[in-house]
Amino acid sequence: DAMVIQNPRYQVTQFGKPVTLSCSQTLNHNVMYWYQQKSSQAPKLLFHYYDKDFNNEADTPDNFQSRRPNTSFCFLDIRSPGLGDAAMYLCATRSRGSGTDTQYFGPGTRLTVL
Amino acid sequence: GQQVMQIPQYQHVQEGEDFTTYCNSSTTLSNIQWYKQRPGGHPVFLIQLVKSGEVKKQKRLTFQFGEAKKNSSLHITATQTTDVGTYFCAGPRSAAGGTSYGKLTFGQGTILTVHP
Repeated sequence: DAMVIQNPRYQVTQFGKPVTLSCSQTLNHNVMYWYQQKSSQAPKLLFHYYDKDFNNEADTPDNFQSRRPNTSFCFLDIRSPGLGDAAMYLCATRSRGSGTDTQYFGPGTRLTVL
Repeated sequence: GQQVMQIPQYQHVQEGEDFTTYCNSSTTLSNIQWYKQRPGGHPVFLIQLVKSGEVKKQKRLTFQFGEAKKNSSLHITATQTTDVGTYFCAGPRSAAGGTSYGKLTFGQGTILTVHP
């Protein structure tokens, strides 16, 4: 089945220690999004890719970076995680030109910062 | 900027009772989507409404899009414990120049608890 996969599902890191989260998709969607979601809150968009074109949200901290080496994969790098970065990180995809804004979410990576 | 407000924030019901969550946008929306997120899970797309006044049903769930395309509601009839979760509405983010790359503005969500 076509799907959005995130690895790892759970990540524990130390304060200031870089961490990379990964997302892969078999939907062949050209748009990919990274969201941060904290407890009892709505997902907050960090950035998105339309193909290889990168678009950063204005309020996304510089501590967060992203890479998309090909259509299927996208990575979220947190250069120096702080305690406030502990959250669920969600990857989502969408097919631009499909006539719908529907997004397909991966299962998420729950990040703990010690 | 565009805002999407959702009420109530929390709803506790007894199994079998009905449940409704309401969504209001500060701007007219081309469509509205609803997502469900189970505890510990990820948002899952439920439905998209496009037309003014549209009503769609999925078994016990009824979705409505307002005539002005600025509000929407989700009603669940006779809730079950499997309905537990957070329900989010989301509308396309409005952007200058008309290109938003499908970005969504989410409501804050309604957390539904169903007591057996």
